[in-house]
This record gives sequence, C-alpha cells and structure tokens, in this order.
Amino acid sequence: DAGVIQSPRHEVTEMGQEVTLRCKPISGHDYLFWYRQTMMRGLELLIYFNNNVPIDDSGMPEDRFSAKMPNASFSTLKIQPSEPRDSAVYFCASNLAGETDTQYFGPGTRLTVL
Amino acid sequence: GENVGLHLPTLSVQEGDNSIINCAYSNSASDYFIWYKQESGKGPQFIIDIRSNMDKRQGQRVTVLLNKTVKHLSLQIAATQPGDSAVYFCAGGGSYIPTFGRGTSLIVHP
Repeated sequence: DAGVIQSPRHEVTEMGQEVTLRCKPISGHDYLFWYRQTMMRGLELLIYFNNNVPIDDSGMPEDRFSAKMPNASFSTLKIQPSEPRDSAVYFCASNLAGETDTQYFGPGTRLTVL
Repeated sequence: GENVGLHLPTLSVQEGDNSIINCAYSNSASDYFIWYKQESGKGPQFIIDIRSNMDKRQGQRVTVLLNKTVKHLSLQIAATQPGDSAVYFCAGGGSYIPTFGRGTSLIVHP
C-alpha cells in the first residue's frame, strides 16, 4: 500500500503566481481532506470531500483557494493568486467511512511564497 | 465543534523514562479520540485510539487513558526512546471529522 501520495513535496513560488497541489488518496477510501499546518495556527482543516463531492469548505480561507476532486483517486488544491501568508505545509488525508475516524495523512507539500 | 487543547507545548524527558502527554477536550458528545505522532518533515501518523465507552487502552509501549468526568485524556509512552521525539496531537470526533489540538513536542534526551 503506497499510502496517500502528494506532489510536489516542495514548492517555491513568487507572490501572485498560481499554485496547484495534488493528492492521490488511498485506494478505496471515500473521504479526502485538505489541511494546512503552520506554527501559529497548527493543523487547520480546509475542505473535505465524500465520494468526490465537497462537503464542507468552511475552512477555506478565501476565494483565492479552490479544491476539486474529479475522481476517486485524485484531488487538487489551487491557490490563485498566491500570497506570502499562504506559506505553510499542506497535507492531504483520506479515510474510509464506517471504520473509524482515523485519517491517513500524506507526506505534505511545503509551500513557500516569496 | 470540538475544542481540543493541550496542557504543555513541550515535554523533555530522558531516554528510558516514561512520558505522559495530556489533552483536554470540551465536547462531551465526542465518542472517539485519536493520538497522532508527527515526526519532522512527515505527516501525522496514527498511534492509538479510544472510544468513549472505554477508560483505558494499551498498545505497544503506549497507553491512552480517558477520563470523561473531567474531559481529559493522556498518552503514556513507556521507556521513551529517541525515536519517540516528535509532536503528538490528540484529536476528538465522532463524525469522521476529528478536530485536532495544537500538539505537544516531545524531546527525548539520550
């Protein structure tokens, strides 16, 4: 089992540029979560999907952030335009409803916006 | 929603000692709690969980205690090793959407 896969692992970009983060959940999992982690705010839930449908995006900070899940094996988190305050580690996690609340996290994408 | 917080941001212990990491929660309706370990440069990883109908659960070198009366749970690590150095998060929930605390950094000194 490859676990949750995220790409890229590191991203450095300039303010104003578009950033796209990618996630492949564990096969068979029906929930997918996007988190942002910073020293100041800890681990924040941005959005989650169930069966590819966005359920709750109340954690998305602004309209500059958008997320999609076109199929069960792929999701993207896009920031356009990016700002320095978006610098953080972004995690994707997945789990299977009906088992437990245990989430399986990917390795994260460290985003730096200059 | 759940308010899960930690008593101490950093815990330093000597190798071989036992470690206790504490966590408080506010939502008495939470029926499931999880401890995660996050090593530097990695995502959080599941350690152990406990349901609200239990007050203790043991794993390999780890024990989670749940006190519903005071809404408190703790993670005990026996014979702490350098490899246990990490940030530990508690999370509470019951609807597949756990809420995470801020985390406690465990530092193990050789």
